[in-house]
Amino acid sequence: GDSVTQMEGPVTLSEEAFLTINCTYTATGYPSLFWYVQYPGEGLQLLLKATKADDKGSNKGFEATYRKETTSFHLEKGSVQVSDSAVYFCALSDRSGNQFYFGTGTSLTVIP
Amino acid sequence: NAGVTQTPKFRVLKTGQSMTLLCAQDMNHEYMYWYRQDPGMGLRLIHYSVGEGTTAKGEVPDGYNVSRLKKQNFLLGLESAAPSQTSVYFCASSQPGLGLYNEQFFGPGTRLTVL
Repeated sequence: GDSVTQMEGPVTLSEEAFLTINCTYTATGYPSLFWYVQYPGEGLQLLLKATKADDKGSNKGFEATYRKETTSFHLEKGSVQVSDSAVYFCALSDRSGNQFYFGTGTSLTVIP
Repeated sequence: NAGVTQTPKFRVLKTGQSMTLLCAQDMNHEYMYWYRQDPGMGLRLIHYSVGEGTTAKGEVPDGYNVSRLKKQNFLLGLESAAPSQTSVYFCASSQPGLGLYNEQFFGPGTRLTVL
């Protein structure tokens, strides 16, 4: 079945450091891929998305590219801020849209 | 627009008690979902609905029931709560589109503790 595997955390970085959170997926067909962010005490919010191979999603300085050949959707940011401290979830949706599959989440803490 | 709302925000139950969690959305979305979030497990789908009057089982449906009598509401019921159901519960909704991604919109969550 479809699934998502993402990098285990927690991750601790200093402000302005480079961030990469790895995500790989297993799916039949051509899924849509997402990164969601969850701030403390809140629900998940969509961070960025990509719907087909080679698409690059971007938002708030974060980027991820849909790589079909490596079945990956790694999240990157060039310079993290303290306000980026949160839990990040990689997810996929099959084309039917009936179900989403989430990774286990990666906790990021950015220290000043 | 309020988006997706959940009630209650917190609840403590004793083993064997029952309760219903309410999810409401004002975006006229067809699809609604219930997830539970546990440490180290990410989000796991409990039940979902692809339209008013329909429900389907997700990954971890045992011990839960759901109903979607109105398009905007999706209820999650625990008939006899167990400590293993201590978790944070999230509701989400989405609107399918032809050939488009289906972004899910999440509620703020309900923290449930079963003693």
